[in-house]
Amino acid sequence: EAQVTQNPRYLITVTGKKLTVTCSQNMNHEYMSWYRQDPGLGLRQIYYSMNVEVTDKGDVPEGYKVSRKEKRNFPLILESPSPNQTSLYFCASSLRPPDRGPRDGYTFGSGTRLTVV
Amino acid sequence: GDSVTQMEGPVTLSEEAFLTINCTYTATGYPSLFWYVQYPGEGLQLLLKATKADDKGSNKGFEATYRKETTSFHLEKGSVQVSDSAVYFCALSAQYSSASKIIFGSGTRLSIRP
Repeated sequence: EAQVTQNPRYLITVTGKKLTVTCSQNMNHEYMSWYRQDPGLGLRQIYYSMNVEVTDKGDVPEGYKVSRKEKRNFPLILESPSPNQTSLYFCASSLRPPDRGPRDGYTFGSGTRLTVV
Repeated sequence: GDSVTQMEGPVTLSEEAFLTINCTYTATGYPSLFWYVQYPGEGLQLLLKATKADDKGSNKGFEATYRKETTSFHLEKGSVQVSDSAVYFCALSAQYSSASKIIFGSGTRLSIRP
């Protein structure tokens, strides 16, 4: 089944303890992206990757890191999490970048609900 | 810049009622337009899309028509069911945009009463 897999689904952690949220897709998609979803703020892009070893900042990159060493994986790293990073996180992928053809939209993962205390 | 505006929620309807969720957009060039649905506790799923003016996207009884003259992509369904209760997002993918991303509206929460 074609899908984007995120892990974990739920995570509670303490301030300052490094964590990684994994994202993997099995569709040979070039483009991958991370979003966070917050009440009243909608979906905001954190980072994106056009292809292997090509990553760039989105709208809210502060406090996050990413890497794209393989085409299928795009982990999100929080080096020193803070309470304002408590949020619902989504990984998404598409065959090509969204502004290039075919513009078919994203496939989303199921989400990771992160709580930082 | 490119943006999407959709009607504020929440929207509460009775089962079998007619649904319209309004969406308008601002974009240069010829964007692709999407509706995504998010069921409770789940990720966003693509509901339907349209890639050029006058295209009609449809899926699961939902429809939306790409209207370039009014820059709109309103979501409609003739007879809603309780299982349609979810959050609906209108979104666009601009052509050759400097920001490589899909831009989402703020979401509209829909609740259907039995």
